[in-house]
Amino acid sequence: KAGVTQTPRYLIKTRGQQVTLSCSPISGHRSVSWYQQTPGQGLQFLFEYFSETQRNKGNFPGRFSGRQFSNSRSEMNVSTLELGDSALYLCASSLGGAGDAPYEQYFGPGTRLTVT
Amino acid sequence: AQSVAQPEDQVNVAEGNPLTVKCTYSVSGNPYLFWYVQYPNRGLQFLLKYITGDNLVKGSYGFEAEFNKSQTSFHLKKPSALVSDSALYFCAVRDQYRGSQGNLIFGKGTKLSVKP
Repeated sequence: KAGVTQTPRYLIKTRGQQVTLSCSPISGHRSVSWYQQTPGQGLQFLFEYFSETQRNKGNFPGRFSGRQFSNSRSEMNVSTLELGDSALYLCASSLGGAGDAPYEQYFGPGTRLTVT
Repeated sequence: AQSVAQPEDQVNVAEGNPLTVKCTYSVSGNPYLFWYVQYPNRGLQFLLKYITGDNLVKGSYGFEAEFNKSQTSFHLKKPSALVSDSALYFCAVRDQYRGSQGNLIFGKGTKLSVKP
């Protein structure tokens, strides 16, 4: 089975611009989560999507948004980029489900975003 | 609020020696606990998880973890370290928010260095 893929792998943007990152989950996985990883703050949860609906959201400003398509692929968008948005953005997929069973998440390699 | 602590920024061990990477947690209710490993320029790889049952959980690559409810700990262990085990290790707890799979709360990470 192919793993989680993320595109692009590297991105350089200027302050004020916006960016869209893409994530393709493992086939059959319906839950997609996004995380931001920085040296200072570590790994922080952004949001989770399941069946095209945002199911949970972390403590990030509204400039960070996402969506999920019917094939479970997901995109996240960051508008009005700030220097502090420079980070590794990781996508993770899991079988998910409506219940509470804690499925493990499988992570993609990440997109390294640099804001100048 | 739920949290995870990894008290050691770095752990150094000699190849062939046993290794332990420490993790303590704070949750309300029953914890769902995970260990992940991250190699340079890679995403996170799932090692093992604890949901319920036996306190000793076996995972990938010869790793295991011991759940201790009274000490609220979930230490990662391996009987004989390999140089290739050198990486960044993250302990995580799944948010108790029902109906959501995605919100993992991560520790700051522990860098494991195994010397020949």
